[in-house]
Amino acid sequence: AQKVTQAQTEISVVEKEDVTLDCVYETRDTTYYLFWYKQPPSGELVFLIRRNSFDEQNEISGRYSWNFQKSTSSFNFTITASQVVDSAVYFCARAYSSASKIIFGSGTRLSIRP
Amino acid sequence: EAGVTQFPSHSVIEKGQTVTLRCDPISGHDNLYWYRRVMGKEIKFLLHFVKESKQDESGMPNNRFLAERTGGTYSTLKVQPAELEDSGVYFCASSHMTGGENTQYFGPGTRLTVL
Repeated sequence: AQKVTQAQTEISVVEKEDVTLDCVYETRDTTYYLFWYKQPPSGELVFLIRRNSFDEQNEISGRYSWNFQKSTSSFNFTITASQVVDSAVYFCARAYSSASKIIFGSGTRLSIRP
Repeated sequence: EAGVTQFPSHSVIEKGQTVTLRCDPISGHDNLYWYRRVMGKEIKFLLHFVKESKQDESGMPNNRFLAERTGGTYSTLKVQPAELEDSGVYFCASSHMTGGENTQYFGPGTRLTVL
């Protein structure tokens, strides 16, 4: 199976530190989609970003940024100046097509200490 | 606009009983998906509806699971009879049918505990 690997099971940092969550994916496809979802303590999965394989531009949204590198099959997520509210489980994921099933990584539990 | 809703939020049943989970997608979303996460493992795909038709049911674990989406609106997922290993969180997601970009929006999940 073409996996999504999030090697960091848990990360704990002090508030205001920057933190990067790693994501490596396997694929034999030329077209695919990558995602990040956030699962706060309340349990729902919150969509953060979608990126298709033809768009390697990095994305910045406020304190969040994403670095997509096809050469290393990575799609890393950085939170700048972390806040306690960023504490959650973050899932990296991929899909074969725009409407197909999503394959999730195992998630990284991020704890931000005050 | 209301998001994806799921009912119930929690369900505790005994082994051998039947449970039915319900998902109401975002209005107008043709695609509806079921996923589950059991005991800290990855979130795994179960099946995908396009309107009322099953597009992909490759993730359904066995014939104890039955999903329906009559009329192409809400969906139900029935587990009969439930086994201990069915415990976990069941997520529903929906997305809009377009030819281009397509984002799945998830509901809050139903936590199922089988005793």
